[in-house]
Order: sequence, then structure tokens, then C-alpha cells
Amino acid sequence: DAGVTQSPTHLIKTRGQQVTLRCSPKSGHDTVSWYQQALGQGPQFIFQYYEEEERQRGNFPDRFSGHQFPNYSSELNVNALLLGDSALYLCASSLDRDFTDTQYFGPGTRLTVL
Amino acid sequence: QQQVKQSPQSLIVQKGGISIINCAYENTAFDYFPWYQQFPGKGPALLIAIRPDVSEKKEGRFTISFNKSAKQFSLHIMDSQPGDSATYFCAASSAGGTSYGKLTFGQGTILTVHP
Repeated sequence: DAGVTQSPTHLIKTRGQQVTLRCSPKSGHDTVSWYQQALGQGPQFIFQYYEEEERQRGNFPDRFSGHQFPNYSSELNVNALLLGDSALYLCASSLDRDFTDTQYFGPGTRLTVL
Repeated sequence: QQQVKQSPQSLIVQKGGISIINCAYENTAFDYFPWYQQFPGKGPALLIAIRPDVSEKKEGRFTISFNKSAKQFSLHIMDSQPGDSATYFCAASSAGGTSYGKLTFGQGTILTVHP
């Protein structure tokens, strides 16, 4: 049973560029959440996608956007990158009908902005 | 009101000892409290979770104690092993409310278990 997978593993960009990160949820899951984890900090919620729509959003600017595809996979897009966007980006999947908010995390994508 | 405060920031325990990590929250709408374990370079892994209708939940060497009136919950790791050395995060969400799906995390505790 495949867990949550993310790609790429590492990414280096320069300020002002745009980046797309990808996530495939755990088999059987239909909901994808994205988190940003700065070094030495706990993950911060960016947004959650369900039925191809953004259902919840954290305190992140519009430069952060996402998409969910019919197969439940998801993308996170960040425009106009800033140095402060350097972080580990985590994807978590869950099952909406579960009603327990149990989320399983992928290994993350380490983004470095120079 | 959305914060979850975690302590201590770091913890050193001898092999076989008990590790205790504490968390406090303010939002009374929170009704789901998971603990995650994270190793360097890896994503957080769900360890154990509790709902406020019980005061304690045990799974193997891991126990969550929950105090609803004090708005506090804690993780106890019995018979701590060097392999338990990792960063531990508490989290909370309102699974039955408007913030369903939004986990709010504590700042993390770096646990080191000496052999």
C-alpha cells in the first residue's frame, strides 16, 4: 500500500521565480492538505483540497495556490518566490468520510530560494 | 486562540526512562489531538491521537493523557529507547467544526535518548 509521495525531493530556485510541487495521496484517500515547515518549527497549514476545490486556507498570501486533479493528486504553486519561502513543504492526505482528521504526511519537498 | 504551546523545547532521557512532553491549547473548539514523530529529513509520522471524550489513550509504549478542563494534553513514552530520538510535535484541530482539516502544530520537542 503506497503511502503519500511527493516530488521533487529537493529544489533550488532564485528569488522571483515560480515553483510547482506535486503530491500523490495515500491509496484510498481523497483529501490533500499542504503545510510549510521552516527549519526548527512545526508545520504551518497552507490549504486543503477536496473534490478539486480549496476547502480550507491558512494565513498564506495569494502567491500560494494549488490544484487537485480528478485522481486526487495535487499541486502546490508558489509565485514570485521570496527568500523566506525556503522551507520543507509537506503534503498530507486523509479520507473525508473518516471524520477524524487523521492526516498522513509525505516525505516533503525541500525548497531552497537563493 | 489558534495556538498550541509545546514544552519542553528539548529533552534528554536515559535509555529505559520515561519521556514526557506537554502541550496546552486555547481554542475550546479543538476536538482532535494527534502526536507526530519526525526524524531528520523525513515527514511527520502519526504516533497516536486522542479525542476529548477520553482522558487517556495507550498504544504500546506511548500514552496520551488529556485534561479537558486545563486544556492540556501530554505524551508519555515509557521505556524510552535510543531509536525514539526524534522531534515530536503535538497538534490539534476542530475535526467536527469549521477548521476541519487544519492541523495546528506545536513548536516541537527534540528528544534525545542516551544509551
